[in-house]
Amino acid sequence: GAGVSQSPSNKVTEKGKDVELRCDPISGHTALYWYRQSLGQGLEFLIYFQGNSAPDKSGLPSDRFSAERTGGSVSTLTIQRTQQEDSAVYLCASSLELAGTLDTQYFGPGTRLTVL
Amino acid sequence: QKEVEQDPGPLSVPEGAIVSLNCTYSNSAFQYFMWYRQYSRKGPELLMYTYSSGNKEDGRFTAQVDKSSKYISLFIRDSQPSDSATYLCAMSVRVSGGYQKVTFGIGTKLQVIP
Repeated sequence: GAGVSQSPSNKVTEKGKDVELRCDPISGHTALYWYRQSLGQGLEFLIYFQGNSAPDKSGLPSDRFSAERTGGSVSTLTIQRTQQEDSAVYLCASSLELAGTLDTQYFGPGTRLTVL
Repeated sequence: QKEVEQDPGPLSVPEGAIVSLNCTYSNSAFQYFMWYRQYSRKGPELLMYTYSSGNKEDGRFTAQVDKSSKYISLFIRDSQPSDSATYLCAMSVRVSGGYQKVTFGIGTKLQVIP
């Protein structure tokens, strides 16, 4: 079946511009996660969605970062007034939210963001 | 200090060698211990996991967890060039929101030379 997809795969933008990154999770997965992966930092948690609500936004680095999810499916991560330190690979994952066992997260290929 | 520590490498080994990858952690509440494999320009994919302490074997791969030492390992036997990837350890704990929050290591880049 189809896995997690993300678009665009690459995005180059100028400092100060806004960008939107999209994630299409696996159909039927109620949980969705955004992570950021940069050199020397590893995979950093940004936000967790349960359905359309975000009970854990603790990883968003500043108020320039926001995310939404609609229809319990597609999610968009928006970065306003981008800075060079925002350059990274942004990864999305989804899961079934299983209880009593490991809730495996399935990752998309990521969006590589470069801020000039 | 990070909750999960992992040597980023890179680690270069000849084909057929036994590879040992390790992580240490500080949060004793972690319940599931995972290893993800990430090929270049791809997302991580779950390789194997264990719950609590002990060993788990899957083909050429063995995962070990020692909760008393807060130390986990992944062994790869008879390593192949196709094993060349970045290996991320990861650990999860159920948080107050009711979901399993995962913390990742930085990843160790492995290259298996033919």
